[in-house]
Amino acid sequence: NAGVTQTPKFQVLKTGQSMTLQCAQDMNHNSMYWYRQDPGMGLRLIYYSASEGTTDKGEVPNGYNVSRLNKREFSLRLESAAPSQTSVYFCASSGRGGGQPQHFGDGTRLSIL
Amino acid sequence: AQSVTQLGSHVSVSEGALVLLRCNYSSSVPPYLFWYVQYPNQGLQLLLKYTSAATLVKGINGFEAEFKKSETSFHLTKPSAHMSDAAEYFCAVSERNNRLAFGKGNQVVVIP
Repeated sequence: NAGVTQTPKFQVLKTGQSMTLQCAQDMNHNSMYWYRQDPGMGLRLIYYSASEGTTDKGEVPNGYNVSRLNKREFSLRLESAAPSQTSVYFCASSGRGGGQPQHFGDGTRLSIL
Repeated sequence: AQSVTQLGSHVSVSEGALVLLRCNYSSSVPPYLFWYVQYPNQGLQLLLKYTSAATLVKGINGFEAEFKKSETSFHLTKPSAHMSDAAEYFCAVSERNNRLAFGKGNQVVVIP
């Protein structure tokens, strides 16, 4: 049972390049989330998708776009990468209903030079 | 918006001693609360959750947490620390659409 799978695991970009982070879940979850983790900041929500066909901004959406491709997949795109976007990115998913825990992938470590 | 406060970014504990990590939350509605653990170079793993069934919640790896509404707290404890408990721990409170607001985390160091 794979759970939440993120690709790639590591990436180095140059300022101004674009890239898409991929996320897929096999738990038939309705909701999916993208976070970034920076030292001493905890996890901050970038975008989320409460259900297939919907997406909403989180706490730090600037510089990012998302696509909920289908129920399984939720991608995060950086159109023009900036050094401030150097971070570890986590995708998560959860089921429907209150109190459902989120299940996390192992993260993508992204460095922008 | 809901929020979580975790004090003390780094917590040192001797092997065999009590582990106590404090979490205080703010919520305008009865909350769902979670503790997650993150080992190096891994994602977050659920330790335990509070969903109003019982105020004392037992989780994996010998951890437990007590929900105290009067204190708006959900502190995490483990009676005896083990070297394998060295990790980062996050408290989180639920928002609408199952969104989570996370605290800034506690990095636990276990001293032999």
